[in-house]
Amino acid sequence: SQQGEEDPQALSIQEGENATMNCSYKTSINNLQWYRQNSGRGLVHLILIRSNEREKHSGRLRVTLDTSKKSSSLLITASRAADTASYFCAGTYSGAGSYQLTFGKGTKLSVIP
Amino acid sequence: GAGVSQSPSNKVTEKGKDVELRCDPISGHTALYWYRQRLGQGLEFLIYFQGNSAPDKSGLPSDRFSAERTGESVSTLTIQRTQQEDSAVYLCASTNNRVSYEQYFGPGTRLTVT
Repeated sequence: SQQGEEDPQALSIQEGENATMNCSYKTSINNLQWYRQNSGRGLVHLILIRSNEREKHSGRLRVTLDTSKKSSSLLITASRAADTASYFCAGTYSGAGSYQLTFGKGTKLSVIP
Repeated sequence: GAGVSQSPSNKVTEKGKDVELRCDPISGHTALYWYRQRLGQGLEFLIYFQGNSAPDKSGLPSDRFSAERTGESVSTLTIQRTQQEDSAVYLCASTNNRVSYEQYFGPGTRLTVT
């Protein structure tokens, strides 16, 4: 079963605006990752945040993690049309010896030029 | 350097036929994963290979699904007697677990069972 749940399922914004996507999960994680997927094919890793971290930045991306609420958020600042894609959070769970990623269904982001 | 490659990129097959999907991981990556993604859904874990250890097959949905990997190289995912519900994009990812948890994904194989 899918442990991650992204919210909202779809988001449409104007170019230049900020986009915030949320993710909730059910069991304790070792780390949480965000991926981007264009056109339903390969995923590209964006950022990883470990369970002992609360916030992480990478370029225009900001990720927060609240382990007490089992939630994470991804903020994309100054969005561009090229940011249009689906965004997934994925957790690596304690006890999952294979380090498999458990994905949510994703947030479909549309950035309107 | 070369990323993860998968072949074929698209496969259309008739119900009941067997299909074989191929994944070439990044050279030096010890771990390899197969995922399935149905339309509009997230990724479902299928199987994991780590070096010469026994694979983690806990995600395979039925005994019609099997996978092999030779050492730390190519992997093949085989689906026997395909069903329409097998239609999905099958994604392969590799990683070097000793360095990071980041998984590098291939472009996927879109399987359509008619």
